Amino acid sequence: GQQVMQIPQYQHVQEGEDFTTYCNSSTTLSNIQWYKQRPGGHPVFLIQLVKSGEVKKQKRLTFQFGEAKKNSSLHITATQTTDVGTYFCAGLDTGKLIFGQGTTLQVKP
Amino acid sequence: KAGVTQTPRYLIKTRGQQVTLSCSPISGHRSVSWYQQTPGQGLQFLFEYFSETQRNKGNFPGRFSGRQFSNSRSEMNVSTLELGDSALYLCASSFTTQEGYTFGSGTRLTVV
Repeated sequence: GQQVMQIPQYQHVQEGEDFTTYCNSSTTLSNIQWYKQRPGGHPVFLIQLVKSGEVKKQKRLTFQFGEAKKNSSLHITATQTTDVGTYFCAGLDTGKLIFGQGTTLQVKP
Repeated sequence: KAGVTQTPRYLIKTRGQQVTLSCSPISGHRSVSWYQQTPGQGLQFLFEYFSETQRNKGNFPGRFSGRQFSNSRSEMNVSTLELGDSALYLCASSFTTQEGYTFGSGTRLTVV
């Protein structure tokens, strides 16, 4: 079945630095979704990308979907302490939303 | 509007017992999915229901089962509990599987 891999597993940054997490799928995705889970919380939907090469922005967050629709990335510019949490990508595989292992972001003030 | 509601929030059970978890999706959402989250395995897909039918199932043993009622509320049951079943069980609903999911706060199950 489909596998969704995310790197890095952990990232520690100084507040103000940029952060990027990468997501790769073993198969072509119809779409990719991104979620954020704060410590002790539950995943919260951030965005969905559908088109090949699509780029979407949400304030300091930039999401990209690869041309082959097999990879995606999330880039955060000038991180803040409120960005702390685990970021998951997820791809649809025959109706099942399969999650990557997530990247946990720590931000030092 | 109200979010996804999961009950109970916390549960402690003994090995060999069974447990039933409940999920009330957002009004109008007909798709309900269940996930098991553990530190080592991340978010693992259990099953997905749509209009009372199980459409997809993950790679979990038959001890894990679920159902969905006509009002879209869903339950999952785990029989003959094992220590390794200790996890956060998350329910998520969506209008269609092509949209983002809204997760509940989860049920933290501890098996002792």
